[in-house]
Amino acid sequence: DAGVIQSPRHEVTEMGQEVTLRCKPISGHNSLFWYRQTMMRGLELLIYFNNNVPIDDSGMPEDRFSAKMPNASFSTLKIQPSEPRDSAVYFCASSLEGNQPQHFGDGTRLSIL
Amino acid sequence: AQSVTQLGSHVSVSEGALVLLRCNYSSSVPPYLFWYVQYPNQGLQLLLKYTSAATLVKGINGFEAEFKKSETSFHLTKPSAHMSDAAEYFCAVTKGTGGFKTIFGAGTRLFVKA
Repeated sequence: DAGVIQSPRHEVTEMGQEVTLRCKPISGHNSLFWYRQTMMRGLELLIYFNNNVPIDDSGMPEDRFSAKMPNASFSTLKIQPSEPRDSAVYFCASSLEGNQPQHFGDGTRLSIL
Repeated sequence: AQSVTQLGSHVSVSEGALVLLRCNYSSSVPPYLFWYVQYPNQGLQLLLKYTSAATLVKGINGFEAEFKKSETSFHLTKPSAHMSDAAEYFCAVTKGTGGFKTIFGAGTRLFVKA
């Protein structure tokens, strides 16, 4: 079991640039979650997919953020244009079903200068 | 609306002492309850889960939690703390019909003193 795989692990870029974070969920899991973690706001759910369909995107901060899940084994979270306040650790998690334990990746530490 | 409250953002115990991390939830229906642990520079890992089969739930690393409906609590305990238990602990609640919603508590950082 390879676990949830996120890339890159670290990203440093200048404000205004496009940032794309990637996630490969555990095979067979049909729910995928994107979270953002900061000291000030803690762990925030950004978006939740079930069977590749976005179910709840109420946590997406604004239109600069978008997420896609083109197939069961891949998802992306894109920020365009990026701003310094987007700096955070972004986690992807997957689960067998939406009410089952979530398996987290190791996160992407994003720094926007 | 559901919410999760973890009492105490920081808890400090001596090695070998009892660990008690508190979690209270609000939910209009019986929820699914979880405890996760996060070590530095890692994602969250499941410690244990409650799914109504038993009120006392045993997890990994010697941790357990008791579901008390009357108190809407799901506190996490470990009889004897070890240095390796130092980490951040998150309580989480999931509920929903036709689409699940998970809410995480703010987290409690556990310090273990030698």
